[in-house]
Amino acid sequence: GAVVSQHPSWVICKSGTSVKIECRSLDFQATTMFWYRQFPKQSLMLMATSNEGSKATYEQGVEKDKFLINHASLTLSTLTVTSAHPEDSSFYICSARRARTQETQYFGPGTRLLVL
Amino acid sequence: AQSVTQLGSHVSVSEGALVLLRCNYSSSVPPYLFWYVQYPNQGLQLLLKYTSAATLVKGINGFEAEFKKSETSFHLTKPSAHMSDAAEYFCAVSAGAAGNKLTFGGGTRVLVKP
Repeated sequence: GAVVSQHPSWVICKSGTSVKIECRSLDFQATTMFWYRQFPKQSLMLMATSNEGSKATYEQGVEKDKFLINHASLTLSTLTVTSAHPEDSSFYICSARRARTQETQYFGPGTRLLVL
Repeated sequence: AQSVTQLGSHVSVSEGALVLLRCNYSSSVPPYLFWYVQYPNQGLQLLLKYTSAATLVKGINGFEAEFKKSETSFHLTKPSAHMSDAAEYFCAVSAGAAGNKLTFGGGTRVLVKP
């Protein structure tokens, strides 16, 4: 199988703090990972595409200085929400694509962020 | 650019009845189409995908979908609903390759009545 994990699964933080979310491909290498955000009772919206060893590509309207993405290895991408505010509270889901393929993405279980 | 429209944000079916979830897409290039299921507070599970092979695609848990290019549709069906089918369902499209970024529809929440 192709398993993607996320850590943490839940995080509660105070307004103004930064939060880091990890996305790992456990049994395959992933040159490309995607970060999605899902607000309550809404669909998933792509935030950015993360490519190993290069800068992430952000979707229109997503602040790259607020949502820092680092894809430092073939199995790990991190999303850091800087100076989080209550409006950043959401469900963040990552997905990973197996290296050197155009196979379907494999999704992680998601991270729920609550900013107080 | 591509987009997905799911008709009906909520669908209620009786256990044992047909489940039909509608999805229409638009894409400037041949699309790759997907149906995902999401249970509360969980990630997405792939039900099935269309990648330009057979137009009738069979997936897991008894679901299937038919790609109709003339109607730009990819509706999801299951002949007999089970209580465990209660969840949120998302249709998605990617352009150019199955592994490219996904554009999701708004989702359809399925309620199964005993």
